[in-house]
This record gives sequence, structure tokens and C-alpha cells, in this order.
Amino acid sequence: EAEVAQSPRYKITEKSQAVAFWCDPISGHATLYWYRQILGQGPELLVQFQDESVVDDSQLPKDRFSAERLKGVDSTLKIQPAELGDSAMYLCASSNPGTSGYNEQFFGPGTRLTVL
Amino acid sequence: AQRVTQPEKLLSVFKGAPVELKCNYSYSGSPELFWYVQYSRQRLQLLLRHISRESIKGFTADLNKGETSFHLKKPFAQEEDSAMYYCALSDLNDYKLSFGAGTTVTVRA
Repeated sequence: EAEVAQSPRYKITEKSQAVAFWCDPISGHATLYWYRQILGQGPELLVQFQDESVVDDSQLPKDRFSAERLKGVDSTLKIQPAELGDSAMYLCASSNPGTSGYNEQFFGPGTRLTVL
Repeated sequence: AQRVTQPEKLLSVFKGAPVELKCNYSYSGSPELFWYVQYSRQRLQLLLRHISRESIKGFTADLNKGETSFHLKKPFAQEEDSAMYYCALSDLNDYKLSFGAGTTVTVRA
């Protein structure tokens, strides 16, 4: 069964360092999402892609975060420089609402980031 | 702005007892409501959506537009229902999901 892949699963870094997370969505899914989940809270959308285009990045802290999906397939989320408050789980999800008619999002296992 | 509230952080019930997880939302348009579940060491996954009006794993949820609620219910809880449950709301136009803070359900033998 096809799944969303993410790497790395865990990342420990020092503040002011750069970090990058990778996501490979389910094949054929045009829509890709990056979420941040702080402990004790629900996932919060950071950025949404439709193919290679950004649909919504209104909650992405653009002074330090960037996201790209150059070929409309896999995606990278980068933080530079990392801050202590960035410690969280970063989730990637994909969906194909145009085919299914509704928005069932399929989630990856997440990357747990710890900033020291 | 859309907002989803799950008032209970933790819910503990005995096996065989009914369980109800509360979800309230605020949204100006016509939202689509979902329940997502995360079992221990597994990924977040869709449990059910209000439009389908299905019963999944014995769970049902009814959208009450008057009370802006979408509570999740199961008449007889099982130990395998122990998990984290998230209520989520989607705008029908852009498919963005807004999640509640989640409720941890523990079903005791």
C-alpha cells in the first residue's frame, strides 16, 4: 500500500543551525501539505502545494522557513536558522481531492525536531 | 477564521462503556468535518467524515449545524479504541484542514 515517506525521522540540532526535512507523497497526489505539531496541540498547516505551486503559506514564518516542491513531486522544508521554539513534530501529508471529491489527507510518520 | 475546539484533553472509559468525544467548531461557510485518529506508533489517519454518514469501527458522528458540533460516539468502547482523536474542519473550496487540539482516549479493561 502506498504511503507518504518522510526523512529523517528524528533530528537534533543546535539553535542557529540549518535543518531540512524531506517528504515524498503518494504517487499521483497533486496536493502536498506541511504541518507543524507542537506537543499537546493539533497539527497546524504551514504550507500547501498544488503540484509545484504554493497555494497557501500564510502561516509559514518566512523569515526563517522555506518550502519547495520543484517538480511537483517530493518536497523539502527548510529552517534557517533554527530557534528553540521550532522544536516540534513536522508532518507531511498528501491528497488528491480532485479525484476523490473530498479531502482525505494521508500523513507521513513525521520528523521530530529538537533544537538545543 | 475557522476554529475547532475539543474541550477534553483526556478521556478514560471502561471496556464496554459508551464513549463520546466532543468537538465544536466555528466557521462562517459550509465546512466539511472529519475525525482523524492516531493509534500508538502509527500515523495519523482518517477515521470518518460527516458527508459519508458511515459507521467506522463502530464510531458515528453527526454534524449539528445549530449547535456547531460534530461529536464522535461509540456505544461500546473496546481496548483497541485507545488512541488520540482529532476533530478537523475543511473548507470545501481550498481543502485546508484545521485541527482541534486532540483528545487522548484510554479504554481500560
